[in-house]
Amino acid sequence: DTEVTQTPKHLVMGMTNKKSLKCEQHMGHRAMYWYKQKAKKPPELMFVYSYEKLSINESVPSRFSPECPNSSLLNLHLHALQPEDSALYLCASSPVGGDTQYFGPGTRLTVL
Amino acid sequence: EDQVTQSPEALRLQEGESSSLNCSYTVSGLRGLFWYRQDPGKGPEFLFTLYSAGEEKEKERLKATLTKKESFLHITAPKPEDSATYLCAVQAAGTASKLTFGTGTRLQVTL
Repeated sequence: DTEVTQTPKHLVMGMTNKKSLKCEQHMGHRAMYWYKQKAKKPPELMFVYSYEKLSINESVPSRFSPECPNSSLLNLHLHALQPEDSALYLCASSPVGGDTQYFGPGTRLTVL
Repeated sequence: EDQVTQSPEALRLQEGESSSLNCSYTVSGLRGLFWYRQDPGKGPEFLFTLYSAGEEKEKERLKATLTKKESFLHITAPKPEDSATYLCAVQAAGTASKLTFGTGTRLQVTL
């Protein structure tokens, strides 16, 4: 089973809202990732967690705040987003860093 | 800086018309090269990982090959359900987790 789940599938929020994206995997993977993907562009890495610790932050604005409560869960907390943050947000996991990454279905985020 | 270039940007095939997608890369020590398929509005679906030049992997109508400078994704007798964007990504030795993606090839297979 190589399934990564993400909720919600779609999210519409205003610029003053606070919301969270959730990602879950039960494959025993110890590395989890957040990516952002704009239309007709490849995914861009945002954050990497390895063994529940943040190991890579690709200079992402502080209005995006990741959290890894345990080895199966990954959250992305959103606050004061801008319309240009509208995109498909993808979660991925891999057994450890450097292994094949398996992606979830994504959350389509629209910021009004 | 690691770079991945995919060609063509878009490809239209008739059902049964075999072809190849190209992924050229420059990387400071290749740890792995990955192929993904992505349908519109969905997450990338893993297809293959290749680690060393000369390696080949197959899955149904798809076959991926790797040289020291490029990878090919061969599609044999494609069907309309093979229509998708195919993404290539490389991982450099020492970068542990970071994938560098190409911009993808949009494949359309018509009846």
